[in-house]
Amino acid sequence: NAGVTQTPKFRILKIGQSMTLQCTQDMNHNYMYWYRQDPGMGLKLIYYSVGAGITDKGEVPNGYNVSRSTTEDFPLRLELAAPSQTSVYFCASSPLAGGPIYEQYFGPGTRLTVT
Amino acid sequence: AQTVTQSQPEMSVQEAETVTLSCTYDTSESDYYLFWYKQPPSRQMILVIRQEAYKQQNATENRFSVNFQKAAKSFSLKISDSQLGDAAMYFCAYRRRRNTPLVFGKGTRLSVIA
Repeated sequence: NAGVTQTPKFRILKIGQSMTLQCTQDMNHNYMYWYRQDPGMGLKLIYYSVGAGITDKGEVPNGYNVSRSTTEDFPLRLELAAPSQTSVYFCASSPLAGGPIYEQYFGPGTRLTVT
Repeated sequence: AQTVTQSQPEMSVQEAETVTLSCTYDTSESDYYLFWYKQPPSRQMILVIRQEAYKQQNATENRFSVNFQKAAKSFSLKISDSQLGDAAMYFCAYRRRRNTPLVFGKGTRLSVIA
């Protein structure tokens, strides 16, 4: 299993541009999450999904959109990039059942810079 | 809303010595889960240790152990026999119940001195 994969690893955007951060997991996990990590800070939840077709907002959803059309994929869309969205973005997933406390598995992160 | 506080932005320890990282949290729930994650320079989030609130026994994983004080809402991480590879950011995290999102503290940067 590849686990949770994220693309791209790095990206530089200009203010006002749009992009999609890709996240795919091959563990058949129902739950998926998007977090952002600002410099010197912990991770904050942007959006999460409990299954295909179901998404919900987290602590910092403004400026982002998500969709979940399949179990495997959970893309994060930035429509009008702003400097405040400069951050490292982590995707994570966890199973519906099984495993110790349904551990969350993290992807390697995407470093995004908006200038 | 639940909050997690890590009051030590930076810590350092001599190689082979013991260090304790502090974490406090605020919740009105009685059943929840606590975690410590390690983030090395590679940025990968690595689960170090987990604790279920209903368990009184403190969790241990090799050189890593926790001191879980439920009444005080405290969850500290002890690293024994520190190694150079332990140098990283350490995040304390809380989860209200299974499969809910994690709430993270701001992290503690640990340096290990040879």
